Amino acid sequence: EPEVTQTPSHQVTQMGQEVILRCVPISNHLYFYWYRQILGQKVEFLVSFYNNEISEKSEIFDDQFSVERPDGSNFTLKIRSTKLEDSAMYFCASHGEGAWGNQPQHFGDGTRLSIL
Amino acid sequence: GDSVTQMEGPVTLSEEAFLTINCTYTATGYPSLFWYVQYPGEGLQLLLKATKADDKGSNKGFEATYRKETTSFHLEKGSVQVSDSAVYFCALRGGASKIIFGSGTRLSIRP
Repeated sequence: EPEVTQTPSHQVTQMGQEVILRCVPISNHLYFYWYRQILGQKVEFLVSFYNNEISEKSEIFDDQFSVERPDGSNFTLKIRSTKLEDSAMYFCASHGEGAWGNQPQHFGDGTRLSIL
Repeated sequence: GDSVTQMEGPVTLSEEAFLTINCTYTATGYPSLFWYVQYPGEGLQLLLKATKADDKGSNKGFEATYRKETTSFHLEKGSVQVSDSAVYFCALRGGASKIIFGSGTRLSIRP
């Protein structure tokens, strides 16, 4: 079964540094998402992306965050200047065309981001 | 706004016990409802879903029924196994495409 793949599985970065998290969604999917899960807390929506633009973003997704689909397969999340509170597990998700209710989002295994 | 509330864990049961994890939601319109499971060290996997009132989602012996009158989507399993130990997330998708998750319930099954 096709999978969403994320790299790296664990990223350790110094505070203030830029970090790029990478995702390869399922190949025929068109809708892409990033979520994050701070340790011990709920999974929170960050941003959705369709047709090469952001469709929706949460309050968390401020100017320090950006997303990009640089080619036909990758979908990246960039944090420009990381803060301690950015430490979390970041999940990428995707789904195909069709009514949302019938198109469940498929999640990757996540990237654990640790800011020192 | 839309939200999901689920019972706090951890929940600890013996193998073959009956499981219920309560979930209620608040949403405008007619959301789709989901249960996701996160096994230790892994990502989120869709366990089951229901897209309209009175639908029953089922998978791997787990079931949940979309109850509009009580705005609930409780997860049940008749006989749990040690391999069911995981964190379970109730979630909804409303008018927008994003998923809104509950806080998660950690389930531990004793042999």
